[in-house]
Amino acid sequence: QKEVEQNSGPLSVPEGAIASLNCTYSDRGSQSFFWYRQYSGKSPELIMSIYSNGDKEDGRFTAQLNKASQYVSLLIRDSQPSDSATYLCAVNMWDSNYQLIWGAGTKLIIKP
Amino acid sequence: DAGVIQSPRHEVTEMGQEVTLRCKPISGHDYLFWYRQTMMRGLELLIYFNNNVPIDDSGMPEDRFSAKMPNASFSTLKIQPSEPRDSAVYFCASQGKPGGISQPQHFGDGTRLSIL
Repeated sequence: QKEVEQNSGPLSVPEGAIASLNCTYSDRGSQSFFWYRQYSGKSPELIMSIYSNGDKEDGRFTAQLNKASQYVSLLIRDSQPSDSATYLCAVNMWDSNYQLIWGAGTKLIIKP
Repeated sequence: DAGVIQSPRHEVTEMGQEVTLRCKPISGHDYLFWYRQTMMRGLELLIYFNNNVPIDDSGMPEDRFSAKMPNASFSTLKIQPSEPRDSAVYFCASQGKPGGISQPQHFGDGTRLSIL
């Protein structure tokens, strides 16, 4: 059973602090990793993709991938109330064709 | 560049009625996915197409659900007859050709379906 696991939260972080979201996956052969943000009542929106070990930065967002430990994380620096949303981790596993395996999402709350 | 377009945005209907949801993928994308999202079960893949051909429909809950993609720019998801437990948000997503590494999926705004 291919799995992607996230802590459902809610994760509460003070405004201006770093929010750290984590995701683990079961298949060592996984190739592509995505973080989506979903505001309440809205559709998932891609914010980061990462394909190789290490860090990838985009503005206030940093994705970190460690294939040996089978985890991917998302750091949000200088958290803003507008970052409050559910963050979904999605993984493309090598034999799942082009399906993404989705985590259940972590609800993030940024407190002013 | 227009994104994935879904219609209707909201649908409220009575149990037993036929429901048809529509999706127009991003031009040039050759993968199309139908998802259902509920609080209890999260995001579930129902079916996906490649070049208009259904590849995997194992997520379709039962025979009441059917999906078609008659051409590269249009797909439908039909529920007949509808039941209250079908109430959910239904998303359509499209994806460009991976070229060896999967590309991200891009979602439409979804259809919020309520079956009374």
